[in-house]
Amino acid sequence: GQQVMQIPQYQHVQEGEDFTTYCNSSTTLSNIQWYKQRPGGHPVFLIQLVKSGEVKKQKRLTFQFGEAKKNSSLHITATQTTDVGTYFCAGPQGTNAGKSTFGDGTTLTVKP
Amino acid sequence: DGGITQSPKYLFRKEGQNVTLSCEQNLNHDAMYWYRQDPGQGLRLIYYSQIVNDFQKGDIAEGYSVSREKKESFPLTVTSAQKNPTAFYLCASSGRWASTDTQYFGPGTRLTVL
Repeated sequence: GQQVMQIPQYQHVQEGEDFTTYCNSSTTLSNIQWYKQRPGGHPVFLIQLVKSGEVKKQKRLTFQFGEAKKNSSLHITATQTTDVGTYFCAGPQGTNAGKSTFGDGTTLTVKP
Repeated sequence: DGGITQSPKYLFRKEGQNVTLSCEQNLNHDAMYWYRQDPGQGLRLIYYSQIVNDFQKGDIAEGYSVSREKKESFPLTVTSAQKNPTAFYLCASSGRWASTDTQYFGPGTRLTVL
């Protein structure tokens, strides 16, 4: 079945450093969604990418969708302590529209 | 929390007991989902419901059961047949059964089997 893999699993950075997490799907995706889960919390939707090669920005966060629509990345510029949490990507499972496969997430810790 | 409530927040159960986790949404969403999250892992789909009075097994449905008698409610029962039920359970909903619809998550229930 479809697999969605994220790397790295963990990332520790000094406050102010940049951070990037990568998401790779075994199949072509119609779209990809990114969620953030704070420690002890629940996933919260960040953004959705639909078009091949699409790039979207949210303040210090930059999201990219690969040309082949099989990979995506999230880049955070100048991390802050408020960026701490686990970032998940999710892609729909083929033709079963509402089902999504989530990656295992990248957990970011930021040292002040 | 996007209008989704889950109760209780923490739940302790003895082995061999069934337990039901509540999930209610006031977003008028058609689709609802149950996920299981284990430490350091992603979300695994247990059951989903595209519309009221309908539900389907997800990727790890064994040992779980659900009902969807009302649009706003999607309770999950963890049965004694579930071999390793200790986990964080998340309920979610989306407006429609569509790949482009955002999923809104509830605060979750942490289940511990003693």
